[in-house]
Amino acid sequence: QVQLQQWGAGLLKPSETLSLTCAVYGGSFSGYHWSWIRQPPGKGLEWIGEINHSGDTNYNPSLKSRVTISLDTSKNQFSLNLSSVTAADTAVYYCARGFNYITMRFDPWGQGTLVTVSS
Amino acid sequence: DIQMTQSPSSLSASVGDRVTITCRASQSIISYLNWYQQKPGKAPKLLIYGASSLESGVPSRFSGSGSATDFTLTISNLQPEDFATYHCQQSNTNPYTFGQGTKVEIK
Repeated sequence: QVQLQQWGAGLLKPSETLSLTCAVYGGSFSGYHWSWIRQPPGKGLEWIGEINHSGDTNYNPSLKSRVTISLDTSKNQFSLNLSSVTAADTAVYYCARGFNYITMRFDPWGQGTLVTVSS
Repeated sequence: DIQMTQSPSSLSASVGDRVTITCRASQSIISYLNWYQQKPGKAPKLLIYGASSLESGVPSRFSGSGSATDFTLTISNLQPEDFATYHCQQSNTNPYTFGQGTKVEIK
């Protein structure tokens, strides 16, 4: 059974870069889309972007100028970098496996990382 | 972006009740609609994909229906473990977007 475990810094100052990594255990990278999704406190979910096993990326246009998602297949890990963060980027960030058959759906998810941006 | 609007935002129900949550898309998404359950402090869990297909391991009291712009998640015979927040998500068009969530609380 595939499990995702994520980690990264939880407290940032404005203008810093958010960096999170997600490790995939018990499954292959091939055939899936590896995504990052965030949820501001008390709000809905927002898809940030994805990367496939070949390294092709697809980003939410609202964040595209600040987002980089990368892949390390040797370690079965993928990462998120979000530059120039502000308080509006405060959220729980999740990694998730995307499976695009019939419909693109996300399962499983990582445990989530609360990232707070504050001066 | 396609806007997903869920109603109601919250509801109160009792164990054994039948609960219906609606998700409306700002344009047709055919049947590219998924439903997730999220409990406090936990990641979302996939329940329904393709509008009406039940994810493996999900109890059959959960069902989904709809097409184009209007979709429904129904929970029949509500159980104590079903009190949670439910999210819809469209995958017809990038960027993938979610509804704001519907919180199901105990009456």
